[in-house]
Amino acid sequence: GQQLNQSPQSMFIQEGEDVSMNCTSSSIFNTWLWYKQDPGEGPVLLIALYKAGELTSNGRLTAQFGITRKDSFLNISASIPSDVGIYFCAGRGSGNTGKLIFGQGTTLQVKP
Amino acid sequence: GAVVSQHPSWVICKSGTSVKIECRSLDFQATTMFWYRQFPKQSLMLMATSNEGSKATYEQGVEKDKFLINHASLTLSTLTVTSAHPEDSSFYICSCDGQYFGPGTRLTVT
Repeated sequence: GQQLNQSPQSMFIQEGEDVSMNCTSSSIFNTWLWYKQDPGEGPVLLIALYKAGELTSNGRLTAQFGITRKDSFLNISASIPSDVGIYFCAGRGSGNTGKLIFGQGTTLQVKP
Repeated sequence: GAVVSQHPSWVICKSGTSVKIECRSLDFQATTMFWYRQFPKQSLMLMATSNEGSKATYEQGVEKDKFLINHASLTLSTLTVTSAHPEDSSFYICSCDGQYFGPGTRLTVT
């Protein structure tokens, strides 16, 4: 089925460094969402984007809805050990009434 | 956002048996709920959309007779895995509003 291309697949960084990950799609989306998932738990919503060009922050996290509506990025500034986890982008197209398409995930490891 | 609970959080069953997983919306009346499945080291894949008072809508490749969905009220949807096989072992996650997710249910079929 339809899938988002998320990159990078994994990252291993030093505490304090900034992180950037992105998602692209061949289709237009009306909503972009970014989630963090810890082992054995459900995904937790970090940031929701609803308008092309929108730039939204949540603490050290910043995400943008691409102008073309086919991409989005998530930045994490000054990473800390608790940022470790898997980050997923998800998109929703028009008329999909709640159905989300997920990216493959980015596994983030932070070295103290 | 919507607060979602799932029960059980984990379950182990034998091949051939059926298992029921509950998804509850604690603070939101959900006419539509969503069931996802996640295999180890993979992403979430939508299985079906649960519609209150009517039949669920299944994604391509998901057997509706194997994964029975019942959405009898605005706060409860259930997913029953019938005649479970080891390949059904997975992490099942629901969403009550298409944006917020439950904590997931780990199913292991032996």
